[in-house]
Amino acid sequence: GNSVTQMEGPVTLSEEAFLTINCTYTATGYPSLFWYVQYPGEGLQLLLKATKADDKGSNKGFEATYRKETTSFHLEKGSVQVSDSAVYFCALNSGGSNYKLTFGKGTLLTVNP
Amino acid sequence: GAGVSQSPSNKVTEKGKDVELRCDPISGHTALYWYRQSLGQGLEFLIYFQGNSAPDKSGLPSDRFSAERTGGSVSTLTIQRTQQEDSAVYLCASRSSGRAGEQFFGPGTRLTVL
Repeated sequence: GNSVTQMEGPVTLSEEAFLTINCTYTATGYPSLFWYVQYPGEGLQLLLKATKADDKGSNKGFEATYRKETTSFHLEKGSVQVSDSAVYFCALNSGGSNYKLTFGKGTLLTVNP
Repeated sequence: GAGVSQSPSNKVTEKGKDVELRCDPISGHTALYWYRQSLGQGLEFLIYFQGNSAPDKSGLPSDRFSAERTGGSVSTLTIQRTQQEDSAVYLCASRSSGRAGEQFFGPGTRLTVL
C-alpha cells in the first residue's frame, strides 16, 4: 500500500536559517505529491505540489522537487521566518478513482526571532 | 468564495453517546472526503463521496462510523456509541472534478469523548 515517511519533529530554527524537512514515499503507480501546512489554530492548507517526476513545486519561498529515483519530496526554504512556524505534512495520492491522500505524520516547525 | 466549513468546531460528549459532525463543501465541488487527525495515528482517510456514486468507505474504523451526503452537497459524519479512542479532530475536504488531487480542507471539528 501507499505510505509517506517524513522526518520526526519538532524542528526549531532561528529566523533566516535554512530549512529542510525530509519526505520519502512508497506508492504504486505514479503518485502526485503534496506539502500541506497547518498554522496554529487553522485548517490544513495546500503549500505546494508536484504531479510528475522532476517537477518542482514552489510557493511562499518553499520548494520541493519530485525525485522518482529516490522516492523523495523534501521541503526546503532558504530563509525561514517566524510566521513559518506551523506543522508541515507531506502527502501523496496515487490517483485511481478517488484521489484520497495518504499523509506523513507531520513535522512541527518552530522559528524563533 | 467561501471555503469548506464544518460544525461544530468543538464537541465534548460522554462515552456511549452518538454525535453528528457536519461539513459544507465548496460550492460546485463534486468530491468530498472525511479524514481523522489524532495524536497516535496522524491523518487518516475515512470516507469519500463523488457525485452520485457509491461512497468509498474503506477508511471507516468500525461500523459505529457512518456518513451520508445529501443532495451532492452537505455531508454528515455520525459516530454511534462514542468511545474515548474516537477523540480526534475530524477534517472534511472537498475537491472539484477538474483539479485532480488538490483538496481544500475545512477547519475541523475537535471531538472529545469523556
